[in-house]
Amino acid sequence: DIQMTQSPSTLSASVGDTVTITCRASQSISFWLAWYQQKPGKAPKLLIYQASRLESGVPSRFSASRSGTEFTLTISSLQPDDFATYYCQQYDNYSLTFGGGTKVDIK
Amino acid sequence: EVQVLESGGGLVQPGGSLRLSCAASGFTFSSYAMNWVRQAPGKGLEWVSGISAGGDTTYYADSVKGRFTVSRDNSKNTLSLQMNSLRAEDTALYYCAKVRDDSGSFYDSWGQGTLVTVSS
Repeated sequence: DIQMTQSPSTLSASVGDTVTITCRASQSISFWLAWYQQKPGKAPKLLIYQASRLESGVPSRFSASRSGTEFTLTISSLQPDDFATYYCQQYDNYSLTFGGGTKVDIK
Repeated sequence: EVQVLESGGGLVQPGGSLRLSCAASGFTFSSYAMNWVRQAPGKGLEWVSGISAGGDTTYYADSVKGRFTVSRDNSKNTLSLQMNSLRAEDTALYYCAKVRDDSGSFYDSWGQGTLVTVSS
């Protein structure tokens, strides 16, 4: 199975900060990566797919990129609504795997 | 509006069985692959199983292969997960998730989940 290593596991930030979350795949997954946001007691919400494509309705302060097997999610000008846990997910093949999650909390 | 609603969770003893259901509405159910994803209490997301739009192809995580069976009834817009030989480590919130499109197995709609607790 493809392992997805996500870092950091926790990130403390303030409103207005720019934060970056990284996900590294154990082997090549091309562009087949999605990012989700999950708030406590809620289902995950799709933010990004195909490594860098913004899902409809997601604010443009969310962006993402790929460099080889390393993927990053960037949130510019963090808003109060952005404090949540973020997960990456590879879908290169049908043994789908998620990263361990990054909790973004208030500093 | 796209909606998926899970049901069927509950408390079951180790070795027992449970059948989860997911009722879908607001989209052409028969055109989309569907998946089950679970989340153990306080833990991350784990993909469990997937089924193609027509129901002819199924996929399973190694952790559930041979114990879980996914199926769908496109005439009733319903997805199911039959879970047998349940273990304590199967305790989790089980989400039904709609695959966004045929560009890949990622999800644009999720239910609120149904909780499965395996304990004696």
